[in-house]
Amino acid sequence: AQSVTQLDSHVSVSEGTPVLLRCNYSSSYSPSLFWYVQHPNKGLQLLLKYTSAATLVKGINGFEAEFKKSETSFHLTKPSAHMSDAAEYFCVVSDRSGGGADGLTFGKGTHLIIQP
Amino acid sequence: DAMVIQNPRYQVTQFGKPVTLSCSQTLNHNVMYWYQQKSSQAPKLLFHYYDKDFNNEADTPDNFQSRRPNTSFCFLDIRSPGLGDAAMYLCATSRGQGRDEQYFGPGTRLTVT
Repeated sequence: AQSVTQLDSHVSVSEGTPVLLRCNYSSSYSPSLFWYVQHPNKGLQLLLKYTSAATLVKGINGFEAEFKKSETSFHLTKPSAHMSDAAEYFCVVSDRSGGGADGLTFGKGTHLIIQP
Repeated sequence: DAMVIQNPRYQVTQFGKPVTLSCSQTLNHNVMYWYQQKSSQAPKLLFHYYDKDFNNEADTPDNFQSRRPNTSFCFLDIRSPGLGDAAMYLCATSRGQGRDEQYFGPGTRLTVT
């Protein structure tokens, strides 16, 4: 079984300061991990994914995440927040391998607020 | 650009009146998914198609049905919408196996009056 815990329901940072959105996962197998962003009334957009290659993953819009197996974490970071980063962020895990396709297991989401 | 398209973006229906939401994709992906997302919650998977094979989640109500007439199109039918079915409905696609990332459409916001 797999699960995802996003440790903060809301994060507020000032524009230009670093962003840290925390995610811990549980998985019976080697997982694939994703971060998605959702702006208001929009669909989800993939920011980045980890699939057992490099543990530091770079994504779009300056975001990156580091897979730490020993800590079962996949935290999302960005060096300098921009107003356009204000959105809902979902950490997602999949540990299905081969066979048929299944859905993903979503965290509950973190609402990122950017203060001017 | 290759993409996932959902129509309409906003749908209003009456309590108990059947409604159909549509999704199309130009990615030629094998898998299509339907999610329900209520306010301030994560998306919840309703069902998915792997090619023509339909896979229903165990807790998806019978009120929700789906059709996939061809690779490009997938429909969500709500036979008798209740007030609790008001939500954003997201369609997504993936190339194949469970580890593949999913590409989401913009969603259809359903209001039930």
